[in-house]
Amino acid sequence: GESVGLHLPTLSVQEGDNSIINCAYSNSASDYFIWYKQESGKGPQFIIDIRSNMDKRQGQRVTVLLNKTVKHLSLQIAATQPGDSAVYFCAENPPGGPGNKLTFGGGTRVLVKP
Amino acid sequence: EPEVTQTPSHQVTQMGQEVILRCVPISNHLYFYWYRQILGQKVEFLVSFYNNEISEKSEIFDDQFSVERPDGSNFTLKIRSTKLEDSAMYFCASRGQGAYGYTFGSGTRLTVV
Repeated sequence: GESVGLHLPTLSVQEGDNSIINCAYSNSASDYFIWYKQESGKGPQFIIDIRSNMDKRQGQRVTVLLNKTVKHLSLQIAATQPGDSAVYFCAENPPGGPGNKLTFGGGTRVLVKP
Repeated sequence: EPEVTQTPSHQVTQMGQEVILRCVPISNHLYFYWYRQILGQKVEFLVSFYNNEISEKSEIFDDQFSVERPDGSNFTLKIRSTKLEDSAMYFCASRGQGAYGYTFGSGTRLTVV
């Protein structure tokens, strides 16, 4: 049958409000997680990462929370700006293999309303 | 800030033709990767490369695909006989020894007609 593109969940947020983007990861043994931002026609851009021995990490305007019990990752963006409009992907680094590949989640589109 | 550079930004090719996608990773990085993203879908791992050999590859990376680091600065992905379903954005990435962060290039949009 005809393949269809992935329907991205969309988060609409008012400029200046906080955004929370959620991600469920698949491998309970993954030891490293990254959030990426992808603007149209561009490659994934690193935002923030977290190791599995932490449950929270803060950057500039962004915070990542890790809940290993339920295999859940979230990205909080404070005071969302128009330039934050993009698709956000979480990625996990599953164990095994010397290459340390990343497995990406399905992505969330963030639309910032002025 | 160091960048991963990919060329060309857009390549159109006829079905059955060979294509080579080029990447210049960050100069002191040791691990190199190709990922692809079909339009509207998630980013998928293709292959990782370390110490002049493939360290891991996905089921997508079949005999039609090959990678090479010909001269210590370039990292190439060759598709021997392109199919329509190879149309996608192809991203190169690199990372350093012990470093967990990856740096991705801006991608090559491959269109097979």
